[in-house]
Amino acid sequence: GENVEQHPSTLSVQEGDSAVIKCTYSDSASNYFPWYKQELGKRPQLIIDIRSNVGEKKDQRIAVTLNKTAKHFSLHITETQPEDSAVYFCAASPENSGGSNYKLTFGKGTLLTVNP
Amino acid sequence: KAGVTQTPRYLIKTRGQQVTLSCSPISGHRSVSWYQQTPGQGLQFLFEYFSETQRNKGNFPGRFSGRQFSNSRSEMNVSTLELGDSALYLCASSHRQGVSGNTIYFGEGSWLTVV
Repeated sequence: GENVEQHPSTLSVQEGDSAVIKCTYSDSASNYFPWYKQELGKRPQLIIDIRSNVGEKKDQRIAVTLNKTAKHFSLHITETQPEDSAVYFCAASPENSGGSNYKLTFGKGTLLTVNP
Repeated sequence: KAGVTQTPRYLIKTRGQQVTLSCSPISGHRSVSWYQQTPGQGLQFLFEYFSETQRNKGNFPGRFSGRQFSNSRSEMNVSTLELGDSALYLCASSHRQGVSGNTIYFGEGSWLTVV
């Protein structure tokens, strides 16, 4: 089955700096890669996703890059703010023969702390 | 539009008991999946339902089961509870199966503590 490795497990940055979180996956059939942000005691919330036909996607201060050959994808947050502090999870999902891509395999998460 | 709703939000059970958790997906969403979140194992896929049928299953013992009703609401059941079943159980819904790149939305979860 799919295996997703996520690094680093903790990341501390100063407000205004950039933060980068990296994930690798093992199943070449994976083609959907979402990123979730989870604040303490809250639900995971989708912040950005990318599909295998796209190499990079950007949404304001957040960007994700995908390298299918190397089987890795990364989350980039620029101009970090204290409210960006949370646990970030990457995930990967293959598209099964039935067209479903619900079986997300998650990385272990990265605790991002943005110091004011 | 209401989000994914899970009940109960918090519960405490004793070893050996069984528990049923409920999930109401976003209106119009027909697929429901369940995940277990623990500090040690992270987020792990339990199973997924679409049109009242289990479509995918994770690597969990048979004590974990679920079902989906005709209105897309879903329940999951854990029998013979063990201490290690203490976790946040998250339900997620998406619009429909068979469409590449469905977005999956999570509920707030049900916090289960087994004592």
